[in-house]
Amino acid sequence: AQKITQTQPGMFVQEKEAVTLDCTYDTSDPSYGLFWYKQPSSGEMIFLIYQGSYDQQNATEGRYSLSFQKARKSANLVISASQLGDSAMYFCAMREFNTGNQFYFGTGTSLTVIP
Amino acid sequence: KAGVTQTPRYLIKTRGQQVTLSCSPISGHRSVSWYQQTPGQGLQFLFEYFSETQRNKGNFPGRFSGRQFSNSRSEMNVSTLELGDSALYLCASSLPGGRGNTEAFFGQGTRLTVV
Repeated sequence: AQKITQTQPGMFVQEKEAVTLDCTYDTSDPSYGLFWYKQPSSGEMIFLIYQGSYDQQNATEGRYSLSFQKARKSANLVISASQLGDSAMYFCAMREFNTGNQFYFGTGTSLTVIP
Repeated sequence: KAGVTQTPRYLIKTRGQQVTLSCSPISGHRSVSWYQQTPGQGLQFLFEYFSETQRNKGNFPGRFSGRQFSNSRSEMNVSTLELGDSALYLCASSLPGGRGNTEAFFGQGTRLTVV
């Protein structure tokens, strides 16, 4: 079974609008972390936001917020007030802290911001 | 502080050759992990090193190997290159993992082309 599932291969959003990128995960480890990364065409993976499995509140970092629904095993990324520079690939990833340090990545969502 | 540095950024090699890629982690980070990214397979975990020891290994053939030095810098080596090894190789630098350890940053990657 896939550890991380991203069901939206491509998304379009109007500049200044908000957009939600979906991510569901699968793990039996009670201690895990969920990450979102942005990958522009240059290739670098840019860290956006982190949510720990024991965190009570949804994580926020500037225009990024993570909608964490533990019972549904979902960790959606919400980008508010989209900018042209937000156009990139976005990856959801998970680390299971009791079983190792590796990242499990989803297949990514390509986001295009339209002026 | 300085980010994760990967060298070289680009490489072109011939089938059958070998290649060595380098990764210098963020100061204070002792865990270094490597990932291969291809359009067909996405992001796949290669291996993780912590305190000069390989702690975890992905499902790759023995042609892929790595090591970590006492200063936490890591190298990965691919011998007998095949066309399918053409990929973006990403290195991730992090604290050892565990509850509360949220830092995990990637380098810009090394883009390897095998001809």
